[in-house]
Amino acid sequence: DQQVKQNSPSLSVQEGRISILNCDYTNSMFDYFLWYKKYPAEGPTFLISISSIKDKNEDGRFTVFLNKSAKHLSLHIVPSQPGDSAVYFCAASSPNTGTASKLTFGTGTRLQVTL
Amino acid sequence: GAGVSQSPSNKVTEKGKDVELRCDPISGHTALYWYRQSLGQGLEFLIYFQGNSAPDKSGLPSDRFSAERTGGSVSTLTIQRTQQEDSAVYLCASSHISTGVYEQYFGPGTRLTVT
Repeated sequence: DQQVKQNSPSLSVQEGRISILNCDYTNSMFDYFLWYKKYPAEGPTFLISISSIKDKNEDGRFTVFLNKSAKHLSLHIVPSQPGDSAVYFCAASSPNTGTASKLTFGTGTRLQVTL
Repeated sequence: GAGVSQSPSNKVTEKGKDVELRCDPISGHTALYWYRQSLGQGLEFLIYFQGNSAPDKSGLPSDRFSAERTGGSVSTLTIQRTQQEDSAVYLCASSHISTGVYEQYFGPGTRLTVT
């Protein structure tokens, strides 16, 4: 049972344009969401997060939007740069439930930013 | 400062052998996690240590898998009688939950190949 889903395995975007990566979740207990970026042969790197009490969080070129009613979140990268080419993982946790704060990951979306 | 380190970076073993994977978390981080990423899959939670609390072992796929964390720092993941389906990248992460920050910081991973 995949509780966090990234339905697009890959995305290609031209440099300077907006990249939009999508993520859906099914577990209503999730209340904290994170995006990680992963380069080949490296561990995932934390990018940006959002708590369920917010619907938007922005950090430089990266913005995460959360739609709780739709159980959907998205990561916007504007403007996209060639160095953004990587695999992006969406992750969710429920740190306020008293249970372990393990992360549940999606299967990732490979972003390629072309010149 | 130093990030999460893991050793070895690559391990090739024969089916049926035991392997040990090591993780050195970021100094001062109270929580330590193990995940694995099989080919084409997202990251799968294995086990979580938080301070002196009993570990959350709910993600371990079988009793051939075990982990320990000595002195609240270094952790070892042991896989006994390895099988080919154990082949994956094993990732360790750490975080400092007491600050209210839930982001986990990952090491580069150990690529395990069972032949």
